[in-house]
Amino acid sequence: NAGVTQTPKFRVLKTGQSMTLLCAQDMNHEYMYWYRQDPGMGLRLIHYSVGEGTTAKGEVPDGYNVSRLKKQNFLLGLESAAPSQTSVYFCASSLTGQYSYEQYFGPGTRLTVT
Amino acid sequence: AQSVAQPEDQVNVAEGNPLTVKCTYSVSGNPYLFWYVQYPNRGLQFLLKYITGDNLVKGSYGFEAEFNKSQTSFHLKKPSALVSDSALYFCAVRDAGGYNKLIFGAGTRLAVHP
Repeated sequence: NAGVTQTPKFRVLKTGQSMTLLCAQDMNHEYMYWYRQDPGMGLRLIHYSVGEGTTAKGEVPDGYNVSRLKKQNFLLGLESAAPSQTSVYFCASSLTGQYSYEQYFGPGTRLTVT
Repeated sequence: AQSVAQPEDQVNVAEGNPLTVKCTYSVSGNPYLFWYVQYPNRGLQFLLKYITGDNLVKGSYGFEAEFNKSQTSFHLKKPSALVSDSALYFCAVRDAGGYNKLIFGAGTRLAVHP
């Protein structure tokens, strides 16, 4: 049981380049989330998904797109990277239902945009 | 507006002494509260949660947290700190909008000195 995995672990992009971050979970969780972590700001929600084929905007969605074609995968895309998107990105997943509210996190992807 | 505040950027404790990491929250309705820990270059790990019931919640690695409704606080505690407890700690509250979304505090760095 691998839990939540993320690829790649590190990436350096030049301004204007595009990339996709992949998140996979093997816990059969319905809900999945993408966050960014910046120093002194905690984690901020970018986008989330409540099931296969559905996505919704979080707190800081601008400049990002997501897709959830399969229940176990949640992709985060940057179409035209900007230096302001330099950050550590975390994926998380969660069960639905009563008393199962905690999220489980992946190891993160450190992205630098130059 | 819903929010979480962690008033201390860093907490320094001597090994063997008790530790407290502070958290206050603002949320409509009954709060669902969480503590997570992040070790260097790792994802967030779930420590404990308060949903309902006893105000003192016990979690992983000997940590506990006390829910205080009148003070809108959820402080993390441990009776005897270990050097290995040194990490970044995040308090979070469940977003009233549902889908197990979380609102995180900015984080508190705990440094336990030998």
